[in-house]
Amino acid sequence: KAGVTQTPRYLIKTRGQQVTLSCSPISGHRSVSWYQQTPGQGLQFLFEYFSETQRNKGNFPGRFSGRQFSNSRSEMNVSTLELGDSALYLCASSLPHKNFMNTEAFFGQGTRLTVV
Amino acid sequence: GQQLNQSPQSMFIQEGEDVSMNCTSSSIFNTWLWYKQDPGEGPVLLIALYKAGELTSNGRLTAQFGITRKDSFLNISASIPSDVGIYFCAGPDNYGQNFVFGPGTRLSVLP
Repeated sequence: KAGVTQTPRYLIKTRGQQVTLSCSPISGHRSVSWYQQTPGQGLQFLFEYFSETQRNKGNFPGRFSGRQFSNSRSEMNVSTLELGDSALYLCASSLPHKNFMNTEAFFGQGTRLTVV
Repeated sequence: GQQLNQSPQSMFIQEGEDVSMNCTSSSIFNTWLWYKQDPGEGPVLLIALYKAGELTSNGRLTAQFGITRKDSFLNISASIPSDVGIYFCAGPDNYGQNFVFGPGTRLSVLP
């Protein structure tokens, strides 16, 4: 069974630009969540999507948004990039669960975004 | 919001030694999870704990959910080089809207 696939693996963008990251979950997994990992702030939850709907959201500004498609693939978008947005962005997928966080979540390798 | 603290921040041990690390919170968590992250990879779930007092093992790893619901520990027995990595504790906050990770414990195993 293929794991969670994130593309691209690496990305360099300029301040003020926008970026879209992609995540393909494990087949059959309908919940997709996104995280930002930085040396200073550690791992922080961005949002979670289930059945094309954002079900939960962390404490990030509106510049960070996402969506989920009918095939459960998800994208996250960051607009008006700032230097502080440089981070490893991780996506995780899991089977449907009535509670927010199905603990059997599987992470992708992440997309490393550098903003210059 | 709810926060998790981990200690130690980093540790260097000899191969074959046992390791203990812990995670604490000022508020109650109802689920405690332990993840390991290797360089260049996403976190991998090691152990999940759902009940206060629960003690769960996964091979050489053992984790416990503290009785107060405010702490958890992870033990690794007979460490090997592939145990190197960053170990995170994590859990959903009590509002069910956010997922919190600790800052991590970086483990180095010396041959």
